[in-house]
Amino acid sequence: EVQLVESGGGLVQPGRSLKLSCAASGFTFSDYAMAWVRQAPKKGLEWVATIIYDGSSTYYRDSVKGRFTISRDNAKSTLYLQMDSLRSEDTATYYCARRGTLDYWGQGVMVTVSS
Amino acid sequence: DIVLTQAPLSVSVTPGESASISCRSSKSLLSSKGITSLYWYLQKPGKSPQLLIYRMSNLASGVPDRFSGSGSETDFTLKISKVETEDVGVYYCAQFLEYPPGTFGGGTKLELK
Repeated sequence: EVQLVESGGGLVQPGRSLKLSCAASGFTFSDYAMAWVRQAPKKGLEWVATIIYDGSSTYYRDSVKGRFTISRDNAKSTLYLQMDSLRSEDTATYYCARRGTLDYWGQGVMVTVSS
Repeated sequence: DIVLTQAPLSVSVTPGESASISCRSSKSLLSSKGITSLYWYLQKPGKSPQLLIYRMSNLASGVPDRFSGSGSETDFTLKISKVETEDVGVYYCAQFLEYPPGTFGGGTKLELK
């Protein structure tokens, strides 16, 4: 059974950093691209970033480019999202998902950016 | 960026009846390989989204065959026949033809009468 479990969320002040993790199990992690998608409170879904299977290529939405870094450790079957220079508009539930086309999703982790 | 427009914003359905949700793309989602890169997701209340339909008309694993997807290069429909209580939630279409960024429609909320 595919399982994706996010962690690392919380309350953080504007301008500070936070690092999310996503532990994967039930499939061969190193065979798949992985992605982060977010959902602001009471809003729709917004793709954030994708990393290909071996980590050699990454893609970001414009609003997070230069502030967020997606990475992976295939030996640990874990996906990461380093979020720097956080803004209030980054407040959202962050989901990790398998494949660029998001066939399995984690349960999500809440990130609140507020002073 | 490709824009996806869903309609209606919400739909109220009697259990056992059918429901249809529309998704219109600002550009063709047909790739040079003949694949239409349109996907449907359902987010049940308080839950994370789940994949329903991939590549316009293919049912994802474990999804009941009451769900079906169809369309052209720019106009798409998700149909739910014989709606059940477990189908309540927000439905999103998404495209991954031009990527980045992947884009989502605004969502359609399905409720029961």
